[in-house]
Amino acid sequence: EAGVTQFPSHSVIEKGQTVTLRCDPISGHDNLYWYRRVMGKEIKFLLHFVKESKQDESGMPNNRFLAERTGGTYSTLKVQPAELEDSGVYFCASSQGTVFSGNTIYFGEGSWLTVV
Amino acid sequence: ILNVEQSPQSLHVQEGDSTNFTCSFPSSNFYALHWYRWETAKSPEALFVMTLNGDEKKKGRISATLNTKEGYSYLYIKGSQPEDSATYLCAFQTGANNLFFGTGTRLTVIP
Repeated sequence: EAGVTQFPSHSVIEKGQTVTLRCDPISGHDNLYWYRRVMGKEIKFLLHFVKESKQDESGMPNNRFLAERTGGTYSTLKVQPAELEDSGVYFCASSQGTVFSGNTIYFGEGSWLTVV
Repeated sequence: ILNVEQSPQSLHVQEGDSTNFTCSFPSSNFYALHWYRWETAKSPEALFVMTLNGDEKKKGRISATLNTKEGYSYLYIKGSQPEDSATYLCAFQTGANNLFFGTGTRLTVIP
């Protein structure tokens, strides 16, 4: 069974440019999450989709970040315009079932973003 | 903001030694405690999801315990091997379906 896949694995862009990260969750997983780890800090929650609906986007840092999950399958996270402090690794994760099932949340390898 | 702390930040052990590290989390609004093993440039690998006070889980040489009343979990590795070298992350889950991570314990096993 394929795991959570993310693209691109690495991206270097200039400040002010736009980057779009893509995540394909495990097939059949309705829950999809985005997390981010900035250098030296803890992994932090960005947002959570249930199918195509945003369940919780309380972790999105500002309106330069836009996440979508059209059709409830893959998701994209766009950063526009990128700033230096956006550098870090962006993880996508997915899970099956609801919060009440003690379900495992499976992570992708991350998209490593460097803004210069 | 929920505070999840892991200690130590890093440690080096000799191959064959056993080791353990700690995750501290809020004792209120607890739903689950997750442990992950993460090698840089790979996916964080889920080790355990623990939901009940007193839970003990085991996977090979790795085991974990949970105390929700005092807000801590221990991860144990018995007979460390070089392939155990990684960052071990714990994450606290409240009723909301997101995780609050600690900064991790970076383990290096010296052959």
